[in-house]
Amino acid sequence: ETGVTQTPRHLVMGMTNKKSLKCEQHLGHNAMYWYKQSAKKPLELMFVYNFKEQTENNSVPSRFSPECPNSSHLFLHLHTLQPEDSALYLCASSERGLTADTQYFGPGTRLTVL
Amino acid sequence: AQSVTQLGSHVSVSEGALVLLRCNYSSSVPPYLFWYVQYPNQGLQLLLKYTSAATLVKGINGFEAEFKKSETSFHLTKPSAHMSDAAEYFCAVTVNTGNQFYFGTGTSLTVIP
Repeated sequence: ETGVTQTPRHLVMGMTNKKSLKCEQHLGHNAMYWYKQSAKKPLELMFVYNFKEQTENNSVPSRFSPECPNSSHLFLHLHTLQPEDSALYLCASSERGLTADTQYFGPGTRLTVL
Repeated sequence: AQSVTQLGSHVSVSEGALVLLRCNYSSSVPPYLFWYVQYPNQGLQLLLKYTSAATLVKGINGFEAEFKKSETSFHLTKPSAHMSDAAEYFCAVTVNTGNQFYFGTGTSLTVIP
C-alpha cells in the first residue's frame, strides 16, 4: 500500500449506530487530519494531529471522536450521528502540521446517515 | 483569519482552449496558497503551491498560477485544456503562524470535445 488509505469507502448507518472510520498513511508523515466535505460547501477541517497529539478541534460535535494511536493511523469514531452528518470524510497527512507542507489525501469515506 | 473565494462554481471550456480558474484570498499576513484537484471518487491532489518564493508557480499537468498581492489573487491557468482536466478544483490558504487551513467551495471544470 502506498499513500493514504481509508476504510471503509462507503458506510451507511442509522442514527443510533456506532461505527469507526480508519485512515492509514504510508508516507512517514507526522501530521494527520480529518476533513468533512459536503456538497456546495468548502472542505471543513475537523481535527489535526501533530506527532500523535491533537492540536486542533474546530468545534466539532462530540458525536465525532478522533483517535490517533500512532503517527501512521487515525480513526474517527462515530455515534448517534444526525442525517446532516452525511458527507464525504477525507483523511490527509503531511510532514508537519498546518504549514506549507503538502497534504496528501486519501480517497475518502462516503458516509450516509439514515 | 484567512479565507478564499472561488468565482464560478462551474466553468466549461473547449478542448484546446485556455483554462482560467479564479481564486481570491483574504489574509492579514503573508499567505501560503494552494490549488488542489479532485477527480471523481478520489481524494484531493496537490497541483501547485505558493510559499513566498517566485510569484509565478508551475505545477503538474501543465497548470500554473500567479500570486498577485495587489489583487489578492491566485488564479489557476493552463494554456490548452485536455479532456483529462475535467475535475473539481479547490483553492486553499494557510499562514505560517496559523492553526487553520481554509478551502474554497471549489470550481467544477468541464472540457467540451
